Amino acid sequence: AQKITQTQPGMFVQEKEAVTLDCTYDTSDQSYGLFWYKQPSSGEMIFLIYQGSYDEQNATEGRYSLNFQKARKSANLVISASQLGDSAMYFCAMREAKLSNFGNEKLTFGTGTRLTIIP
Amino acid sequence: EAQVTQNPRYLITVTGKKLTVTCSQNMNHEYMSWYRQDPGLGLRQIYYSMNVEVTDKGDVPEGYKVSRKEKRNFPLILESPSPNQTSLYFCASSRQGGGYSLSAFFGQGTRLTVV
Repeated sequence: AQKITQTQPGMFVQEKEAVTLDCTYDTSDQSYGLFWYKQPSSGEMIFLIYQGSYDEQNATEGRYSLNFQKARKSANLVISASQLGDSAMYFCAMREAKLSNFGNEKLTFGTGTRLTIIP
Repeated sequence: EAQVTQNPRYLITVTGKKLTVTCSQNMNHEYMSWYRQDPGLGLRQIYYSMNVEVTDKGDVPEGYKVSRKEKRNFPLILESPSPNQTSLYFCASSRQGGGYSLSAFFGQGTRLTVV
């Protein structure tokens, strides 16, 4: 089973509208972290937002918020008031704290969603 | 400025010609890792290192080597590149033992084409 699933390969959204990018995850760990990264056409990976498995509040960072539903194992990224500069590839990722992988601070990534903002 | 620096950014090479992609970080991080990004597959871990002289395989290590002789540097070596290693490569670093809450710093990426 995929550990991180992003079911939307591509999305088109009108400028100034809000957009939700879906992410579901699979883990048997109690302790884990969920991350979203943005990859513009220039290729670099930009960290956007983080949610810990024990965090009771949804994370927010400016126009980005993370809709964390632990029971459903989903961690959707919400971008409010989208801008043309938001056009990019977006990746959801997870870091688990399991002992079997001790020492490997690995991030497991989804396949990404390409977001295009239409003027 | 805190950063991870990869070189080169772009590389076109021929099958079988050994190459090295360098990665250097200035944050004194213990942990470094290499990923490759392929369309439809996301990023997958190739190798990682928990500290100097401590390296281990990730999920897709075949065809790659790494070394960690200094804390700041973590080069990726392709001894005999093949076309299926054409990909976008990222080096990343973070503090070791920072727990699951720690994000990683990524390099700018190296786009490798093997013909």
